[in-house]
Amino acid sequence: EVQLVQSGAEVKKPGESLRISCKGSGYSFTSYWISWVRQMPGKGLEWMGRIDPSDSYTNYSPSFQGHVTISADKSISTAYLQWSSLKASDTAMYYCARHGERVAGLRNAFDIWGQGTMVTVSS
Amino acid sequence: QSALTQPASVSGSPGQSITISCTGTSSDVGSYNLVSWYQQHPGKAPKLMIYEVSKRPSGVSNRFSGSKSGNTASLTISGLQAEDEADYYCCSYAGSSTLYVFGTGTKVTVL
Repeated sequence: EVQLVQSGAEVKKPGESLRISCKGSGYSFTSYWISWVRQMPGKGLEWMGRIDPSDSYTNYSPSFQGHVTISADKSISTAYLQWSSLKASDTAMYYCARHGERVAGLRNAFDIWGQGTMVTVSS
Repeated sequence: QSALTQPASVSGSPGQSITISCTGTSSDVGSYNLVSWYQQHPGKAPKLMIYEVSKRPSGVSNRFSGSKSGNTASLTISGLQAEDEADYYCCSYAGSSTLYVFGTGTKVTVL
């Protein structure tokens, strides 16, 4: 079964650092880009950035550039989203999502999603 | 890059058809046939319903269809069913600097 499994919920204090993970299985991890998507409580989806796990090339939304870092370890089929100094406004559900197969025209759509990781930042 | 504009809510009775609009600009929806649509039930991850404006992934009901005219894309749900009650989001490729932008989301209610 093709799936993305994310790490568990986190509760952090402002100023702390955090890295959450997204492990792919059931497919060739390096053949598909991974994006991260934020959903603040009661709000809509926001695209944050994406990584090509084959070479770790990244693109970021201007809204998130400089605030988060996306990385990947292809040896363990895992992508990461990390913060160096969390703020209360980072409280949200974070999803990783796989871009679909290029040949099938799905490269610019997100065909497999992780279950989400809830990050709560509170003093 | 601003979010694409969707109506906050759309409702319909079982069996009816509804259409959700997704309005962008000439920099995103208007320039690329790379609009996708996602269904999200409460507390669940989004699910891909339409890609490249009008294509359905394997396993998605043919009651869901997509189209585009100018800067506006649309998702139509025909033969509305109770299980279609969910939030729906459009997403468009927006060029090499921004890459992707989501819509504001639409809550579909089955009356």
